[in-house]
Amino acid sequence: DAGITQSPRHKVTETGTPVTLRCHQTENHRYMYWYRQDPGHGLRLIHYSYGVKDTDKGEVSDGYSVSRSKTEDFLLTLESATSSQTSVYFCAISELGSNSPLHFGNGTRLTVT
Amino acid sequence: DAKTTQPTSMDCAEGRAANLPCNHSTISGNEYVYWYRQIHSQGPQYIIHGLKNNETNEMASLIITEDRKSSTLILPHATLRDTAVYYCIVRAGAGANNLFFGTGTRLTVIP
Repeated sequence: DAGITQSPRHKVTETGTPVTLRCHQTENHRYMYWYRQDPGHGLRLIHYSYGVKDTDKGEVSDGYSVSRSKTEDFLLTLESATSSQTSVYFCAISELGSNSPLHFGNGTRLTVT
Repeated sequence: DAKTTQPTSMDCAEGRAANLPCNHSTISGNEYVYWYRQIHSQGPQYIIHGLKNNETNEMASLIITEDRKSSTLILPHATLRDTAVYYCIVRAGAGANNLFFGTGTRLTVIP
C-alpha cells in the first residue's frame, strides 16, 4: 500500500454525534481525497484537497467538512452524524500532475445508529 | 465528462488471460483511461493508465483502440487473487483532478 493510514478502521456512533475520520500519508503527495462507497452507488467523491489549507467540494459534500493543516493529514468531519452517512469511507492521495493515479487507503467502516 | 460502459461480470479460468473490455465512445482528446480494481473490503488498487498508446506494467497490459473509443485490460495469467471488481475510468474534466467510479466488472477467476 502507498503509505496511507486511515483511522479508525471501524466506528459505531449514534445519530447526532460528531465524528472525525483521519487520513495520514507518508508519501508527501500534494492531493488528498475523501470518498464514500455505498452499494449501488460505487465510489463518490466527498471533498478533496490540493494543498495545505486548500480544499474543495466533491459531488456529495453536504453534511461533511474537511481540514488539512499539514501535508500528511486530511481530516473528514461529520458535524452531526446521520444514518444516511453509514458507509465505508476511503481516503486517496495523488502526486502533483493532472494525470497522476490515485492511491487508496483501506477504508473506515462507519455505522451510525 | 466521458462515461464508460463495462460488462457487469465475467469469468476466467485460472492461468488463462483475462480480457476486460471497456467502451468510452465520448472520450476527449486529452483524457486518459485508468483501470483500478477492488478486492472485497479493501481500497481500490491502481492498475494502469494510458492515453493512446498501449501500456504494460508488472500487473497488466492496456490496449486502447486507435479511435480511443474503447480499451481492453489484459491480465496475462489470471490467478485466484485477481478475483475483484475492475473499474475502467476516464479522467474527469480539467481542474477536478479526481476520478468518477462506475459500477465496474466483477471478475471471477475459476480454479
